[in-house]
Amino acid sequence: SQKIEQNSEALNIQEGKTATLTCNYTNYSPAYLQWYRQDPGRGPVFLLLIRENEKEKRKERLKVTFDTTLKQSLFHITASQPADSATYLCALRGGATNKLIFGTGTLLAVQP
Amino acid sequence: EPEVTQTPSHQVTQMGQEVILRCVPISNHLYFYWYRQILGQKVEFLVSFYNNEISEKSEIFDDQFSVERPDGSNFTLKIRSTKLEDSAMYFCASSERGLNTGELFFGEGSRLTVL
Repeated sequence: SQKIEQNSEALNIQEGKTATLTCNYTNYSPAYLQWYRQDPGRGPVFLLLIRENEKEKRKERLKVTFDTTLKQSLFHITASQPADSATYLCALRGGATNKLIFGTGTLLAVQP
Repeated sequence: EPEVTQTPSHQVTQMGQEVILRCVPISNHLYFYWYRQILGQKVEFLVSFYNNEISEKSEIFDDQFSVERPDGSNFTLKIRSTKLEDSAMYFCASSERGLNTGELFFGEGSRLTVL
């Protein structure tokens, strides 16, 4: 069956450290993968998109990698800040469809 | 900055009642979506809509649900005969060029509570 899996346990890190979140998928062949941020009670907000032919993408303190062999994407936040505390969702398009499928999300808590 | 707006922000209804959730997508966007998120669970796809018709729907989106774009700006989700398990946050989203290239822009959601 098709799955998108993210660490269900919250990730707690100290301010200033690098946070690394993982997204693994099974039985998909996505052309790209997206990462979103979701704050409590609010809608997801787009952060980054990485295509299958891109190994790495950066935007300010954010970095995403995409390994289609491992079927995994890693999302890094460098020099993390308490304001980065949120749930981070990975999402991919399920084949030649018109739907974006989301993972369960990982809650990041950055301690001051 | 353009944004997707949703109303109401919170609706409480009795089981069996009909509910209409409204969305105003970003004006130059052509692709529209509804997602729902049950408390503590993941964001789930319900339906996508393009060119005035449903382009895809999930198994959740059964005959109880319908969508409509009644004019050039609104996009609505109707839930007939609501059930307790319909209690969730419903998110509307839009995109300019569909899933070939673009990200989704989400509204802030409508929280539906069915009693």
